[in-house]
Amino acid sequence: GAGVSQSPSNKVTEKGKDVELRCDPISGHTALYWYRQSLGQGLEFLIYFQGNSAPDKSGLPSDRFSAERTGGSVSTLTIQRTQQEDSAVYLCASSYRGLAGGNEQFFGPGTRLTVL
Amino acid sequence: GQQLNQSPQSMFIQEGEDVSMNCTSSSIFNTWLWYKQEPGEGPVLLIALYKAGELTSNGRLTAQFGITRKDSFLNISASIPSDVGIYFCAGPSGVWETSGSRLTFGEGTQLTVNP
Repeated sequence: GAGVSQSPSNKVTEKGKDVELRCDPISGHTALYWYRQSLGQGLEFLIYFQGNSAPDKSGLPSDRFSAERTGGSVSTLTIQRTQQEDSAVYLCASSYRGLAGGNEQFFGPGTRLTVL
Repeated sequence: GQQLNQSPQSMFIQEGEDVSMNCTSSSIFNTWLWYKQEPGEGPVLLIALYKAGELTSNGRLTAQFGITRKDSFLNISASIPSDVGIYFCAGPSGVWETSGSRLTFGEGTQLTVNP
């Protein structure tokens, strides 16, 4: 596609429910990243995929958070038993290979998650 | 972990004025990146700096990579209303060639330009 796309754009859920957020990276980009942005804050790294494997998942805040990537393309971020503090904008980015060599990360528009 | 301290947090300026914002770190970064984020959008890369002392321009934007590798600044000259947005500095955490898979972001500078 022309850019990174994410769905849904907005998600409102009740505390305790599970949610799935989807990211479609730019075609051909092998590296994919998930970040979280709380209101008025900078971006917080969550997880990095190179192909279908995740060599760096150290940013996931708890075991309620998980992510997978299939076919070297689409990625899904799953949050189980959502809590109010999970409310944030979840941003996905992709790059051609990785950060080595200065490959630019292209960001999607984000999914705004609100946990009531 | 590594942290980036960005200042100022917000700026309110008149159209035509120049703007300067900066970013500092307690540890060395091998690359400095400057992004702009507009409402409802993801960040867009404005300028990338790869070498200490490097001064790079992109139109009305100029950024410098500090000699100590612990700071960077971004200048915007002759601001216009479409410059409005949040500006973030960022740098790769860990070793660039191996574990540089994550970006650490500053907390952003909110720029408002009054016409």
